[in-house]
Amino acid sequence: SQQGEEDPQALSIQEGENATMNCSYKTSINNLQWYRQNSGRGLVHLILIRSNEREKHSGRLRVTLDTSKKSSSLLITASRAADTASYFCATDTTSGTYKYIFGTGTRLKVLA
Amino acid sequence: DTAVSQTPKYLVTQMGNDKSIKCEQNLGHDTMYWYKQDSKKFLKIMFSYNNKELIINETVPNRFSPKSPDKAHLNLHINSLELGDSAVYFCASSKTGTGNEQFFGPGTRLTVL
Repeated sequence: SQQGEEDPQALSIQEGENATMNCSYKTSINNLQWYRQNSGRGLVHLILIRSNEREKHSGRLRVTLDTSKKSSSLLITASRAADTASYFCATDTTSGTYKYIFGTGTRLKVLA
Repeated sequence: DTAVSQTPKYLVTQMGNDKSIKCEQNLGHDTMYWYKQDSKKFLKIMFSYNNKELIINETVPNRFSPKSPDKAHLNLHINSLELGDSAVYFCASSKTGTGNEQFFGPGTRLTVL
């Protein structure tokens, strides 16, 4: 199974609603990042949260991290049609050579 | 200016052929990566280079050979292409060390017929 697994796999909401995506991982981490991927494009970094942080905000984004449960959530408030994309978490493990392991992604669709 | 660029954007080729994908970054980063994204959108790291030295090789078949002529470039050469190599390949770069965001290129969609 994957180091990072997002759920739900797909999410469809109305514009203006909040969207919450979750990421679970298996090993200890240094930090966790969230990325967005628009269809047919490369990934774009959204936010990073370090293992000693519990919550972080950036604009309409709110990320939480619970290292005891090995999980993180990404909340997008007041969603817009332009938020339609796939969202991935990426973990930077503390074991061995550092590298980022990406989760399976959540496909978000925001309906206008 | 494009931060991380890849060429070509699309690549369609026959099984057994050899092809290369080029990547360049103008961000001054020391670390570059190659990722493979399959049809289910699963993104898997293949290689990572730091200052032209290979630091991550994720048990990729040796038909895949990365080459970094300088720290701004990381190319990927694939020999004897197979159907299963069809995917989107992304190049990325970052500053060295943990906790740095990665900047991704636009991807190269490889289709092997």
